[in-house]
Amino acid sequence: NAGVTQTPKFRILKIGQSMTLQCAQDMNHNYMYWYRQDPGMGLKLIYYSVGAGITDKGEVPNGYNVSRSTTEDFPLRLELAAPSQTSVYFCASSYSWDRGAPQPQHFGDGTRLSIL
Amino acid sequence: QQQVKQSPQSLIVQKGGISIINCAYENTAFDYFPWYQQFPGKGPALLIAIRPDVSEKKEGRFTISFNKSAKQFSLHIMDSQPGDSATYFCAAAINFGNEKLTFGTGTRLTIIP
Repeated sequence: NAGVTQTPKFRILKIGQSMTLQCAQDMNHNYMYWYRQDPGMGLKLIYYSVGAGITDKGEVPNGYNVSRSTTEDFPLRLELAAPSQTSVYFCASSYSWDRGAPQPQHFGDGTRLSIL
Repeated sequence: QQQVKQSPQSLIVQKGGISIINCAYENTAFDYFPWYQQFPGKGPALLIAIRPDVSEKKEGRFTISFNKSAKQFSLHIMDSQPGDSATYFCAAAINFGNEKLTFGTGTRLTIIP
C-alpha cells in the first residue's frame, strides 16, 4: 500500500519556468490537499478538493493551479515560477468528514522546490 | 492572520523528561484539535487529536490537555525518548463540513541522552 506518492522529490526551476507537481493516492480518499511548508511558518493550505471535478482555494492559492480529473490524482501546477515559491510542497488525502468523526490527513513525503 | 499560535519554536529535553508544547487559538468556532508529528524528510503524520467536549486525552506517553475557556491546548510527552525527536505541529479545524486544517508554526523537539 503506497499511500500518498509525490513526484518529483526535488526540483530546481528557473524564474518564469512552469512545472507540475504530481500527487497520487491509492486509498480511495475523496479529499485531497496541497500545502506548502516554509521554515518557521508551518503548513499553509494552497488548494483542496472534495472529489473529482471539485476544487477550491485555500489560504495561499496565488500563483498555483490545480485540477482533479480522477479520485486518485491531484496535480499542482506552477505557471510562472517565482523565487517566493521556493518551498517544500506536501500533498495529503483523507476520507470525507461526514463519516461521523474527523478523518486524519495522510501526507506524502513532499517535493522540495527551489526557484533560482 | 495567524489563527493558531504555537510555542516554543524549539525545545530540548533530556531523555526521560516531560516535553510540553503549547498552542493557542483565536477562532471559537474551532472544534477539532489534532497534533501532527513530522520526521526529517517525511510528511507530517497524525499523532493524537481532541474534541473540545473533553479536557484531556491520553494515548500512551502522549497527552493532550485542552482548556476551552482559555482557548489553549497543549501536548505533553511523558518519559521522552530520543525517537520522539521530531517537529510537532498543532492544528485546528471547524468540523461539520469544513475540512480545512489551520496549522501552528511547529516546534522542533530534540531529546538528548
